[in-house]
Amino acid sequence: QVQLVESGGGVVQPGGSLGLSCAASGFTFSTYGMQWVRQAPGKGLEWVAFIKYDGSNKYYADSVKGRFTVSRDNSKNTLYLQMSSLKAEDSAVFYCARDFVPGGTRVPVDYWGQGTLVTVSS
Amino acid sequence: DIQMTQSPSSLSASVGDRVTITCRASQGISNYLAWYQQKPGKVPKLLISAASTLQSGVPSRFSASASGTDFTLTISSLQPEDVATYYCQQYNSAPLTFGPGTKVDIK
Repeated sequence: QVQLVESGGGVVQPGGSLGLSCAASGFTFSTYGMQWVRQAPGKGLEWVAFIKYDGSNKYYADSVKGRFTVSRDNSKNTLYLQMSSLKAEDSAVFYCARDFVPGGTRVPVDYWGQGTLVTVSS
Repeated sequence: DIQMTQSPSSLSASVGDRVTITCRASQGISNYLAWYQQKPGKVPKLLISAASTLQSGVPSRFSASASGTDFTLTISSLQPEDVATYYCQQYNSAPLTFGPGTKVDIK
């Protein structure tokens, strides 16, 4: 079955950096686009980033552009999110999610991980 | 960027009631709209894709429609297990954007 397991969350000071990982299994990772979505405590969903199945295209929310970098290693079935210049407003549960169909463009996500909590605080 | 709005922000209805949630896009997104259900303490679940296509396993009391830049999610007969926050999301163009959510509970 499809599994997505995030890791790497924790407490980081404002201005600091943190890297998240998402280990995927149960499907052919190299054929699916992947996304990161975050949710601040008690708040709504905020889309963060997308990476195409082969890593050739990446898109970001305006709020994280220039500070966050999405990447993937298809040989390790792993998705990454490198975050720098972190702000208090970046505090959230970060979810990785799989595109609904392989190789597609303009698709929603269907499977979500359980999320990893990032807290930006001094 | 495309902005998504939802109304109402919350609603309370009785079991068996018909519930309608509206989502509006700030510009045309064709049918590139999804609806997600997030139950308390759970991860979101994809209910509807392509504005009106019900995902496998989703109860038939859920339906959705589109008219221009206005999209509607309807629960024909509200059940206790439908208590959740519902989000629309446009995936027509990056940055993808979610609506602010509609919280549904039982009266």
